[in-house]
Amino acid sequence: NAGVTQTPKFQVLKTGQSMTLQCAQDMNHEYMSWYRQDPGMGLRLIHYSVGAGITDQGEVPNGYNVSRSTTEDFPLRLLSAAPSQTSVYFCASSFRNSPLHFGNGTRLTVT
Amino acid sequence: SQQGEEDPQALSIQEGENATMNCSYKTSINNLQWYRQNSGRGLVHLILIRSNEREKHSGRLRVTLDTSKKSSSLLITASRAADTASYFCATESRRDDMRFGAGTRLTVKP
Repeated sequence: NAGVTQTPKFQVLKTGQSMTLQCAQDMNHEYMSWYRQDPGMGLRLIHYSVGAGITDQGEVPNGYNVSRSTTEDFPLRLLSAAPSQTSVYFCASSFRNSPLHFGNGTRLTVT
Repeated sequence: SQQGEEDPQALSIQEGENATMNCSYKTSINNLQWYRQNSGRGLVHLILIRSNEREKHSGRLRVTLDTSKKSSSLLITASRAADTASYFCATESRRDDMRFGAGTRLTVKP
């Protein structure tokens, strides 16, 4: 049972480049979400999804896109990377009204 | 803006002492959860308390919830050096989004 798998673990981008952070879960969870964590801060919600085909914005959605074509996968796309998007990104999943299971994070640096 | 606010931001205690962390939030919730994070790793779930519950226990952890004051507390009894970590509260709202506070950084000195 792999849980929540995030790839890549580390990524360096130049300003203006685009990329997709991958997130997959094998627990049949309907709820999936993306957070970013900046030094000394808590997690801020970027986007979330309550099921396949349904997504919604969180606190800091600008500059990011998501889609949920399957229950298992919830990729996060950075459209045009900016230095302000340098952060650690966490994907999480759960059943509704239940504890979140987190991936190990993707450490992104934008130069 | 973040939903939860933890207090204090940092707490330093001796091994064996109790640690209390507080969380306040702004909107109606389905449940409130506490998580632990060690040094930038993924968060680990500790305990979930639903909006119709007032107190919950799990091992050395005790969580209370006061929905009238929109606040919760996490008590860790008989702390150990291994409890050193950051602790976050998270609230699940009626909109189904889970939002986190900025966390309390706990240091337990041996």
